[in-house]
Amino acid sequence: NAGVMQNPRHLVRRRGQEARLRCSPMKGHSHVYWYRQLPEEGLKFMVYLQKENIIDESGMPKERFSAEFPKEGPSILRIQQVVRGDSAAYFCASSPWNNEQFFGPGTRLTVL
Amino acid sequence: GQQLNQSPQSMFIQEGEDVSMNCTSSSIFNTWLWYKQEPGEGPVLLIALYKAGELTSNGRLTAQFGITRKDSFLNISASIPSDVGIYFCAGRPGAANQGGSEKLVFGKGMKLTVNP
Repeated sequence: NAGVMQNPRHLVRRRGQEARLRCSPMKGHSHVYWYRQLPEEGLKFMVYLQKENIIDESGMPKERFSAEFPKEGPSILRIQQVVRGDSAAYFCASSPWNNEQFFGPGTRLTVL
Repeated sequence: GQQLNQSPQSMFIQEGEDVSMNCTSSSIFNTWLWYKQEPGEGPVLLIALYKAGELTSNGRLTAQFGITRKDSFLNISASIPSDVGIYFCAGRPGAANQGGSEKLVFGKGMKLTVNP
């Protein structure tokens, strides 16, 4: 039983570049959540998606950030024109429906 | 937005000691979850609580969902060196029967150090 998979585990980008973070949920899970964690902080909710639908994006910055969860393939969190303040660990979680969320290992984004 | 106040922020204990941590909120939650995170990894679910007053154990871990639905605690008994890590509380805001939010709100974490 593979857990939630995220790639890459580490990503380095220069200011102005694009970052694409991928998340494959656990088998049978159709709900995906993205969270951001700054050093010494808890996780902050960004967006909640089901297949082909964004359910709640109340935690996502209005500009430069977007997320999708297509019918086929992984969920993608996309950050355009990255800035130094985007440096953080980004975690994806999945759940089969309205219950526990299981987290992936995260992608550590560093913006130079 | 909702905030969770988690305390203490850190603890240094000797192997074999018990440790308690808690989480409080100004608004009600319909789910309380406790996670452990180790360096470079994602949070791992330890215990999930769904009903006010519920007391649940998982090995040496015991957690309770407060009856006011605004707090939860986690106890670890007879600590061992591998208990080292950061423990997070997380909750799902709102009343479940009123379509509470799916997102989780996290506390800032409690860093546990266990001296052998």
